[in-house]
Amino acid sequence: DADVTQTPRNRITKTGKRIMLECSQTKGHDRMYWYRQDPGLGLRLIYYSFDVKDINKGEISDGYSVSRQAQAKFSLSLESAIPNQTALYFCATSDPKLASTDTQYFGPGTRLTVL
Amino acid sequence: KNQVEQSPQSLIILEGKNCTLQCNYTVSPFSNLRWYKQDTGRGPVSLTIMTFSENTKSNGRYTATLDADTKQSSLHITASQLSDSASYICVVSEGSARQLTFGSGTQLTVLP
Repeated sequence: DADVTQTPRNRITKTGKRIMLECSQTKGHDRMYWYRQDPGLGLRLIYYSFDVKDINKGEISDGYSVSRQAQAKFSLSLESAIPNQTALYFCATSDPKLASTDTQYFGPGTRLTVL
Repeated sequence: KNQVEQSPQSLIILEGKNCTLQCNYTVSPFSNLRWYKQDTGRGPVSLTIMTFSENTKSNGRYTATLDADTKQSSLHITASQLSDSASYICVVSEGSARQLTFGSGTQLTVLP
């Protein structure tokens, strides 16, 4: 987990505020992902990036945007936070050279609460 | 729609006992299936991965099985330890490997 870091780890904000969650990795992986996890549900993909110039929407991208500033950095923004975006957010990376397995390595998560 | 269903939702066992967790999926075409362990407050960590041609894969006390015909997988934990208390997540990769479908997990609690 130390190879993939997320900041902040916890954040409480109000409805309508703009929030940025940051992810950094030292694994040298090209692929990065943002997921959210809600109680009783599986992780759901928000956005993914296969390299700095390749960004793709996932299953639940509405209300979110991302920026891939460098190979090592992938940020998730909530332009105008709403209460149902309260969740645990995970960043993950994977190595395309192992595309047949594509194991993802997850960060420790950011717990976001929108009041 | 691709789906991954896990059972049971939660399980409580005594230390030293064995247990088996189940995963059924409808993902097609199938690429591979992974089991992840997620400790409370941490990100998931990969335990095993199996492709279509693999029936069994072991990682220490963890043994995963895959029946691609019935689209079922199981994770067997032998001689459980307190540190096994976690959520176990089944993840199935669709053929292109770009699309992953996550199960909601089985919450395992191991009591002393």
